[in-house]
Amino acid sequence: AQKITQTQPGMFVQEKEAVTLDCTYDTSDPSYGLFWYKQPSSGEMIFLIYQGSYDQQNATEGRYSLNFQKARKSANLVISASQLGDSAMYFCAMEPNIIQGAQKLVFGQGTRLTINP
Amino acid sequence: NAGVTQTPKFQVLKTGQSMTLQCAQDMNHEYMSWYRQDPGMGLRLIHYSVGAGITDQGEVPNGYNVSRSTTEDFPLRLLSAAPSQTSVYFCASSPAIGNTEAFFGQGTRLTVV
Repeated sequence: AQKITQTQPGMFVQEKEAVTLDCTYDTSDPSYGLFWYKQPSSGEMIFLIYQGSYDQQNATEGRYSLNFQKARKSANLVISASQLGDSAMYFCAMEPNIIQGAQKLVFGQGTRLTINP
Repeated sequence: NAGVTQTPKFQVLKTGQSMTLQCAQDMNHEYMSWYRQDPGMGLRLIHYSVGAGITDQGEVPNGYNVSRSTTEDFPLRLLSAAPSQTSVYFCASSPAIGNTEAFFGQGTRLTVV
């Protein structure tokens, strides 16, 4: 069964520090995709970063990077130089068969990140 | 470019009432999906579609119907609303090619009393 586990319900970080949000996944499909979304208090889902199971390099998007460790089945999100606007809920998600498109995402329960000034 | 548009944004229903949540996308995406988000939880897949005329069930389909008569629209129908269906509903779309992102609508907050 496909599953995403986020073990940190909440995290508190000082502004300008780096923060790592943990995500482990479970799937038997070889061609999967991993996503991170941000959900601010306004409620919308904001796409942050994507990593494909066959991608050799770790994905990066600006201040966001994904620490992809395939053997450990982990896909941790790293936010560098955190800002007050980073305070939000963060969701890790997986598409078990990315060849068929990002249509059946499996989500973790999320981590609430709070950035302190 | 509007992206994925959901209507309404808020809705209160009485138990037993029916209604349709609307979802439209203008990106010509083949894939569309409906998710629900309960308090303190991640999103769970209700139904999805890989193209016009093709739909399938997700993790939590009971109590919901969908149809996809056009590429652009993917409405979600609640046949007889129950308090357990109180949730925030998200519609998402993604392309069949270059499928590295699912685009989400703004969500519909539904309360069933």
